[in-house]
Amino acid sequence: AAGVIQSPRHLIKEKRETATLKCYPIPRHDTVYWYQQGPGQDPQFLISFYEKMQSDKGSIPDRFSAQQFSDYHSELNMSSLELGDSALYFCASRNARDSTNSPLHFGNGTRLTVT
Amino acid sequence: DQQVKQNSPSLSVQEGRISILNCDYTNSMFDYFLWYKKYPAEGPTFLISISSIKDKNEDGRFTVFLNKSAKHLSLHIVPSQPGDSAVYFCAASVGNLGGGNKLTFGTGTQLKVEL
Repeated sequence: AAGVIQSPRHLIKEKRETATLKCYPIPRHDTVYWYQQGPGQDPQFLISFYEKMQSDKGSIPDRFSAQQFSDYHSELNMSSLELGDSALYFCASRNARDSTNSPLHFGNGTRLTVT
Repeated sequence: DQQVKQNSPSLSVQEGRISILNCDYTNSMFDYFLWYKKYPAEGPTFLISISSIKDKNEDGRFTVFLNKSAKHLSLHIVPSQPGDSAVYFCAASVGNLGGGNKLTFGTGTQLKVEL
C-alpha cells in the first residue's frame, strides 16, 4: 500500500540558510501534519492542514511556514536556519472521511542537519 | 510541560513473556489515545488506539488498557517477539482527530525483546 512520502530523506544546510521539506500524503488523505523530533525527544507537533487550510498550530517558530497545495501535498519552509533546528521532521496524513478517529500515518522523515 | 509521560525510557523482556508499557497523562481533556511503534530510520507506525469511553481494546497480541481516573494507560504485548523490539510512543488528543486536531506524544519507551 502507498505510504506517506517525504523528500529529501537527508538534508544538510548551514546556519542562516533556508530549507524546504516536502510531504506527499497517502492518496485520498486530506489532512497533513508536521512534527519535529529532536535527538532523544518525543515528536513535537508543528502544524497541520485540513483540506488545504491550516487547522492547528503548535510550537512552530515564526521562521517556519507551511502550506498544503491543491494536490494535498505539503511543504515546510524553514528560513534563517539555526543549529537547534537540526532534527528529524516527520509528516503524517490521514483521511478525515474514514472516521473521526482514523489514525495518523507517518512518513519516514527528513533528517535535517544544520552546521 | 510534558502532558504525556512515559516514565520508563527502556524495558527488557524475554521472548514469549508479556511486555507492559506504561503511559501517564496530565491533561484531563484528552479523550483519544494511541500507541505507535518506531524502528530506527523509520516513521512511527500505528499499533492500537482507545477512546475514553472504553477501558480496554484488544487487537491480536496487543491490548491497551485505559484508567481515566488515574490518567494512566498501558500497552500489553503477549507473547513478546524479537521483532517487537522498537521504541513505543504513547500519544493522545483532545477530541477526535477530525479536521487536523493534533496528537501529543509521550517521550517513548525502548523495548528490547531478548531471545
